[in-house]
Amino acid sequence: KAGVTQTPRYLIKTRGQQVTLSCSPISGHRSVSWYQQTPGQGLQFLFEYFSETQRNKGNFPGRFSGRQFSNSRSEMNVSTLELGDSALYLCASSLAREGSYEQYFGPGTRLTVT
Amino acid sequence: KQEVTQIPAALSVPEGENLVLNCSFTDSAIYNLQWFRQDPGKGLTSLLLIQSSQREQTSGRLNASLDKSSGRSTLYIAASQPGDSATYLCAANTGNQFYFGTGTSLTVIP
Repeated sequence: KAGVTQTPRYLIKTRGQQVTLSCSPISGHRSVSWYQQTPGQGLQFLFEYFSETQRNKGNFPGRFSGRQFSNSRSEMNVSTLELGDSALYLCASSLAREGSYEQYFGPGTRLTVT
Repeated sequence: KQEVTQIPAALSVPEGENLVLNCSFTDSAIYNLQWFRQDPGKGLTSLLLIQSSQREQTSGRLNASLDKSSGRSTLYIAASQPGDSATYLCAANTGNQFYFGTGTSLTVIP
């Protein structure tokens, strides 16, 4: 079974631009969560989507948004990029049903904002 | 808000040594706790997941324990190898989200 995939793997953007990252979960997984990882803040939860609905949300500004499609693939969008948005963005998928909440992570997208 | 702490932040050991990594969490109302390893610049690889009703889980040379009442989990690595060098992260699942510790950077010296 294929793992979680993320595209693109690397991205360089300029301040003020917007960016869209994509995540394809493991087949059959209905939950996709997004995380931001920086050296200073560690791994921080952005949001979780389950069956096309945002189920949980972390403490990030509204510039960070996401969506999930009917095939469980998810996209994350960041508008009006700031230098501080430079980070490794990770997505994780899960079956998210009783007894099966184990998260599986993708390789991440390295975003650099200049 | 759940806070997860990992001690030590960094650890260097000679090959073959047994070692213990510590993870503590402030809110004992968790569904499960998951341990991961992360190699530099890479994503996270799941190592072990312990359900809230369990006391420990084992996989090969790895053993993870969970004591909800004291808010602690440990990851025991037996007979460490250079390939075990990585950052180890624990994450507590509250049902709404996973809260991650800042990790323990492990170096196993050949």
